[in-house]
Amino acid sequence: GQQLNQSPQSMFIQEGEDVSMNCTSSSIFNTWLWYKQDPGEGPVLLIALYKAGELTSNGRLTAQFGITRKDSFLNISASIPSDVGIYFCAGMKTSYDKVIFGPGTSLSVIP
Amino acid sequence: DTGVSQDPRHKITKRGQNVTFRCDPISEHNRLYWYRQTLGQGPEFLTYFQNEAQLEKSRLLSDRFSAERPKGSFSTLEIQRTEQGDSAMYLCASSSGRFYEQYFGPGTRLTVT
Repeated sequence: GQQLNQSPQSMFIQEGEDVSMNCTSSSIFNTWLWYKQDPGEGPVLLIALYKAGELTSNGRLTAQFGITRKDSFLNISASIPSDVGIYFCAGMKTSYDKVIFGPGTSLSVIP
Repeated sequence: DTGVSQDPRHKITKRGQNVTFRCDPISEHNRLYWYRQTLGQGPEFLTYFQNEAQLEKSRLLSDRFSAERPKGSFSTLEIQRTEQGDSAMYLCASSSGRFYEQYFGPGTRLTVT
């Protein structure tokens, strides 16, 4: 079964608010990835993290690789309507390994 | 468009029929992955190729499923004698091998009636 847990499961926020979501694992990963998926589409890679403690930004998105290598978080600042979607955290053990996905956090932005 | 492409985007079939999906990876990527995603869940790994070699298969990949990548470029995933439980989104991803990032295609939505 899946080894990753994401919280919260879903979020409803007002446009302009900041968002924070977390991902925890029962095992260590050497890479953490954050993807966003729109309905009927494949996941789109947002941020990749390679080192414990690493903090990486991509526009309004910031993600961190936890020190224990068993967790990661994603922040979205000043949310906009197009941020709506499902956000998946994912972990990999090696560069050629399969991606293990979390169950996702569904984000809704109220204009 | 230089991203991962998948064909068809949607497939409706009757139980017991065979279906085949195609994936074209990003051209310089030597690794290709297949995942399955059911409603409300994250994608789950099915199988992976490095060039034309199939290097890993998940327990999810029953003997009714077969995947090929004959020339190390595009890949096909065939499901024989489809069952209603096969209804899902089938996703393909590719990576260059030097980097961890896997890039996903838009998926093929399979509905078995």
